[in-house]
Amino acid sequence: DVKVTQSSRYLVKRTGEKVFLECVQDMDHENMFWYRQDPGLGLRLIYFSYDVKMKEKGDIPEGYSVSREKKERFSLILESASTNQTSMYLCASSLPGGAGANVLTFGAGSRLTVL
Amino acid sequence: AQKITQTQPGMFVQEKEAVTLDCTYDTSDPSYGLFWYKQPSSGEMIFLIYQGSYDQQNATEGRYSLNFQKARKSANLVISASQLGDSAMYFCAMRGTNTGNQFYFGTGTSLTVIP
Repeated sequence: DVKVTQSSRYLVKRTGEKVFLECVQDMDHENMFWYRQDPGLGLRLIYFSYDVKMKEKGDIPEGYSVSREKKERFSLILESASTNQTSMYLCASSLPGGAGANVLTFGAGSRLTVL
Repeated sequence: AQKITQTQPGMFVQEKEAVTLDCTYDTSDPSYGLFWYKQPSSGEMIFLIYQGSYDQQNATEGRYSLNFQKARKSANLVISASQLGDSAMYFCAMRGTNTGNQFYFGTGTSLTVIP
């Protein structure tokens, strides 16, 4: 019954490496999101996408890019990883809409450590 | 701008007791939705309950209820008959008509249920 799948639960990378975090959803959702979660800061939105090949910056896009070539897949890219990008990364998807009850469905998270 | 505030970083509750987790929000959207999520130590975010801003009744889902006070802009989560498995982080979130597809999250409350 898995709906949002993140390819890696744990990653360890070195400073300067290019990092790809992959996310796939099987619910045919238009919207997909990448959040970063740090203790005491809650969830902060990095990027989101409301359609294939469309993307919008969130609150903390610096140092990240995204790719959405297919509706079901949303990738987060760290072009040159830095130690301050060590964090938990959460992918999520939802149907579009404003105030309605279209909930955000999350993946299990990817914990990235940059050495 | 949208803002969600959770002022309780940590809470303790005795097993079988009820507990209230506070959430206040700030928005200029005419209509919006409020959500609560649970994040156990495993890391996955689990949707608990939704309240629409025009809903007349407070939302309930099993042992979870949302104490919605629109004039005070608060959306507190009440967990009745706490269980050990309720120990987790709890996040309040909001999505509004003007913000379209974005969800805004609070910083979370860590709940510990004491046997």
